[in-house]
Amino acid sequence: EIVLTQSPGTLSLSPGERATLSCRASQIVSSTYVAWYQQKPGQAPRLLIYAASSRAIGIPDRFSGSGSGTDFTLTISRLEPEDFAVYYCQQFGRSAYSFGQGTKLE
Amino acid sequence: EVQLEESGGGVVLPGGSLRLSCTASGFNFRIYNMNWVRQAPGKGLEWVSYISRSSSPMYYSDSVKGRFTISRDNVKNSLYLQMNSLTAGDTAVYYCVRQASAGTEFDFWGQGALVTVSS
Repeated sequence: EIVLTQSPGTLSLSPGERATLSCRASQIVSSTYVAWYQQKPGQAPRLLIYAASSRAIGIPDRFSGSGSGTDFTLTISRLEPEDFAVYYCQQFGRSAYSFGQGTKLE
Repeated sequence: EVQLEESGGGVVLPGGSLRLSCTASGFNFRIYNMNWVRQAPGKGLEWVSYISRSSSPMYYSDSVKGRFTISRDNVKNSLYLQMNSLTAGDTAVYYCVRQASAGTEFDFWGQGALVTVSS
């Protein structure tokens, strides 16, 4: 099983600031199979980024993804009030998916 | 409009069984691979199971393998999760999730069904 470790667990920032969220895999994963999701309280998760760096439909360009191998990053260039939420990375490999434990952006 | 509506959640005794259903609408269900993902109260996301558009293959997380069975009915546009030998650790909101047609990411999520395992 591939384990994803997200850091930090909680990120405290203000609107207008830049957010950098990290996701590290326990072994090399294909960037094609790495995605990022946003979840707000009481809501289902929403797809933000797929294939490590491609934005999903309707996602603002302040969200960007990067990385390869075992290290992946979600960057929010300028935080808007609606961006404060929990973010999860995800990978697919060896017939199984796994999620990171989440980063809470407050 | 794409919709995924879960049903069948509720309270069940430890060791009991429950069957979740998910009804899809607004898209061609039969061409999409589907998944179940769960989230325990106050916790993160945990992938549970995958089923291909043709019902084979199916994959399961180690935590539910041998106890849960995923299935689908492409005529009824429905996805199912049969859950047996339930324990308190299975208490969670269960999401029905569509996989993107050309990738492995999850592009649409239902609102979830709460399953509570408690005596």
